[in-house]
Amino acid sequence: GQQLNQSPQSMFIQEGEDVSMNCTSSSIFNTWLWYKQDPGEGPVLLIALYKAGELTSNGRLTAQFGITRKDSFLNISASIPRDVGIYFCAGQNSGNTPLVFGKGTRLSVIA
Amino acid sequence: NAGVTQTPKFRVLKTGQSMTLLCAQDMNHEYMYWYRQDPGMGLRLIHYSVGEGTTAKGEVPDGYNVSRLKKQNFLLGLESAAPSQTSVYFCASSYPGGFNEKLFFGSGTQLSVL
Repeated sequence: GQQLNQSPQSMFIQEGEDVSMNCTSSSIFNTWLWYKQDPGEGPVLLIALYKAGELTSNGRLTAQFGITRKDSFLNISASIPRDVGIYFCAGQNSGNTPLVFGKGTRLSVIA
Repeated sequence: NAGVTQTPKFRVLKTGQSMTLLCAQDMNHEYMYWYRQDPGMGLRLIHYSVGEGTTAKGEVPDGYNVSRLKKQNFLLGLESAAPSQTSVYFCASSYPGGFNEKLFFGSGTQLSVL
């Protein structure tokens, strides 16, 4: 099946630093999504992207839909301890197929 | 506002035992899903349902069965548990009208098979 390659697998950063992570695929997706999973909870949708080249923000989070439609990027500015968790990218080909999830990026923030 | 509720939250089984995980949603969503999450593997789709009375296989369906007798409930069954089924299981649902990206997840069931 389709696979999404998410990197980095994990990262440790100092509070206040900016964070970047990305997701790539060998095939095209028409929708890219970013979810966050807090410890002990289920994932929650952060940002949804629908057009190639689209740049969307949600507070300190900014995500971009790659021009080739085979990748997406998530940036977090001025990280805080509450940003700790696992960030998942997900892609969807069409409205008739379930989401495909990446393996996640585990973020740790050192105060 | 319950959203998606999973029971139980934790369970320990012996190899060969059976059990059923229950997922209930109160948002009138058509689509429901069962995922498993393993370290380094992300979220993998086990089975899903596009409406009451329907089910379909996902990426890793072997060893599991599901039923959707009522719209608000989606059951995941393990007939003969194996240690490879030790995992965290998440149920999710989505808005009516298709595989909408806005999945709402439950808080998970931690299952250990000894």
